[in-house]
Amino acid sequence: NAGVTQTPKFRILKIGQSMTLQCTQDMNHNYMYWYRQDPGMGLKLIYYSVGAGITDKGEVPNGYNVSRSTTEDFPLRLELAAPSQTSVYFCASSYSSGLVGQPQHFGDGTRLSIL
Amino acid sequence: KNEVEQSPQNLTAQEGEFITINCSYSVGISALHWLQQHPGGGIVSLFMLSSGKKKHGRLIATINIQEKHSSLHITASHPRDSAVYICAVGSVSGGGADGLTFGKGTHLIIQP
Repeated sequence: NAGVTQTPKFRILKIGQSMTLQCTQDMNHNYMYWYRQDPGMGLKLIYYSVGAGITDKGEVPNGYNVSRSTTEDFPLRLELAAPSQTSVYFCASSYSSGLVGQPQHFGDGTRLSIL
Repeated sequence: KNEVEQSPQNLTAQEGEFITINCSYSVGISALHWLQQHPGGGIVSLFMLSSGKKKHGRLIATINIQEKHSSLHITASHPRDSAVYICAVGSVSGGGADGLTFGKGTHLIIQP
């Protein structure tokens, strides 16, 4: 059972380039999330999805886009990379909302540098 | 928006010591999560609680809803417990589907 799988693990981009961070889960979870973690800061929610075809903005969505065409996959796209997007990105999933006490399962993270 | 404060930010202790990490939040919550982030970066959910106390092996988590405070305890600490411990709370006033707001984490080092 792989859980939540993120690719790539590391990436260096030039300013203005675009890329897609991949996330897939094999637990049949409805809820999926993208977070970013900056040094010395708590995780911030970028986008989330409550099921296939449904996505919504989190706390820091600017500069990112997502799609959820299947239950398993939740890719995060950066269209015009900026230095401020240098961060570690985590994808997570859960059976239902954390509000009702469901744990989140995290991927191993993608370390992204924009130069 | 809920504010989550953890203390201490950094903690170094000797193997075998009893460890306490604290988490305070500002707004009433539906659930509180304790997470562990390994030195390699992976994040694992340790506990999720909305009242009382939970125990798993050498880890104990408690929560006091009235005081808006939770503690994570580690008994008989071991170097493999070295990690960043993150508190996160879920509240209706938070953002996103689950309204989770994360603390900045406590960096724990257990020396042999």
